[in-house]
Amino acid sequence: RKEVEQDPGPFNVPEGATVAFNCTYSNSASQSFFWYRQDCRKEPKLLMSVYSSGNEDGRFTAQLNRASQYISLLIRDSKLSDSATYLCVVYNAGNNRKLIWGLGTSLAVNP
Amino acid sequence: NAGVTQTPKFRILKIGQSMTLQCTQDMNHNYMYWYRQDPGMGLKLIYYSVGAGITDKGEVPNGYNVSRSTTEDFPLRLELAAPSQTSVYFCASSDRDRGNTEAFFGQGTRLTVV
Repeated sequence: RKEVEQDPGPFNVPEGATVAFNCTYSNSASQSFFWYRQDCRKEPKLLMSVYSSGNEDGRFTAQLNRASQYISLLIRDSKLSDSATYLCVVYNAGNNRKLIWGLGTSLAVNP
Repeated sequence: NAGVTQTPKFRILKIGQSMTLQCTQDMNHNYMYWYRQDPGMGLKLIYYSVGAGITDKGEVPNGYNVSRSTTEDFPLRLELAAPSQTSVYFCASSDRDRGNTEAFFGQGTRLTVV
């Protein structure tokens, strides 16, 4: 089992749609969780950290479920500019202090 | 606001040549990483460093070497380039010790080995 797993997609949605991505992680001792966004041929950039209580940033909502070991990202009112790959990232200080990256979920928002 | 700077942005190498990918950061981060990303694939960790003088192997270290003589610089060396090393290389840094694990990336180096 991979340490961090994501549905690769692609997710094709119309503008204005709500779309949700899930990510599962295998190490129950993982401490920090993040969603990154990567545009085509560009470097990844932090979208948002994921907190235990859940957090929201505009149209984006992130949730953490430690019991089931998954995190989610919800995008409301999708925009064309949301088209990108979304990477789930997990950090565990015991894992030689490395960030563990999912392979990413591809989103295409269509007009 | 330089952040993480990688050079060069593009390079074509012939099989068997060697080169060094440069990476420098001005955020005084302890942690630095080198990743490769093949087309349509995820990031794979090549090497990482938790501070000056300390480096360790990631998932795919074969064919590469690194050094970390200063906090700012983390060059990646390719010896005897092979077509399998054709990829996009990203350098990143983060500062876990301050409780902020956001990783900042350079713009990438697109390497083709022919």
